[in-house]
Amino acid sequence: DVVMTQSPLSLPVTLGQPASISCRSSQSLVNSDGNTYLNWIQQRPGQSPRRLIYKVSNRDSGVPDRFSGSGSGTDFTLKISRVEAEDVGVYYCMQGTHWPPWTFGQGTKVEIK
Amino acid sequence: QVQLVQSGGGVVQPGRSLRLSCAASGFTFSSYGMHWVRQAPGKGLEWVAVIYYDGSNKYYADSVKGRFTISRDNSKNTLYLQMNSLRAEDTAAYYCATISIAVAGDDFWGQGTLVTVSS
Repeated sequence: DVVMTQSPLSLPVTLGQPASISCRSSQSLVNSDGNTYLNWIQQRPGQSPRRLIYKVSNRDSGVPDRFSGSGSGTDFTLKISRVEAEDVGVYYCMQGTHWPPWTFGQGTKVEIK
Repeated sequence: QVQLVQSGGGVVQPGRSLRLSCAASGFTFSSYGMHWVRQAPGKGLEWVAVIYYDGSNKYYADSVKGRFTISRDNSKNTLYLQMNSLRAEDTAAYYCATISIAVAGDDFWGQGTLVTVSS
């Protein structure tokens, strides 16, 4: 199984400041079709998870452009250019290249300082 | 609008069974593979099972294999998870989801339903 490792696990951020979350996979997430199936998922307190980004860097509709994803192979990053109060929650990376199983990172808790 | 409405959670004794349901609307349910994902209290997300759009294939996490069964009824736009031989470690919020990996706008999650396994 592919192990997804996120860091940091806790990220206190000042409002308006940038934030960055790292996700590393135990093997390359490049699929045989050439795509890299890495999602970023947000879970706000008390809410269901919600996908923000798919295939490393593609934002879902309605996702603010302050969120961006990047990376390749085994190393990926989610960046928030200017953290807002509504961004508080837990962020997960998830791979869909080598399945089953689909695997998630441990989650990174973003909170306001 | 898209909705995945879950039902069937509750408190159950170890060794007993429970069936979860997930009723879909607002999208073509029969065209989507469907997943169950769970989250133990205060913990992260754990993938549980998937069923192909037509029910032809099913896969399970090792932790539930042989005890849980995923199924669907496309005529009723409903996904199911039959959970047998429940253990304390199955206590979690269970989410149904499409878990799309390749296309915009087709990743949907249910509201979650809590399953508590306790004597």
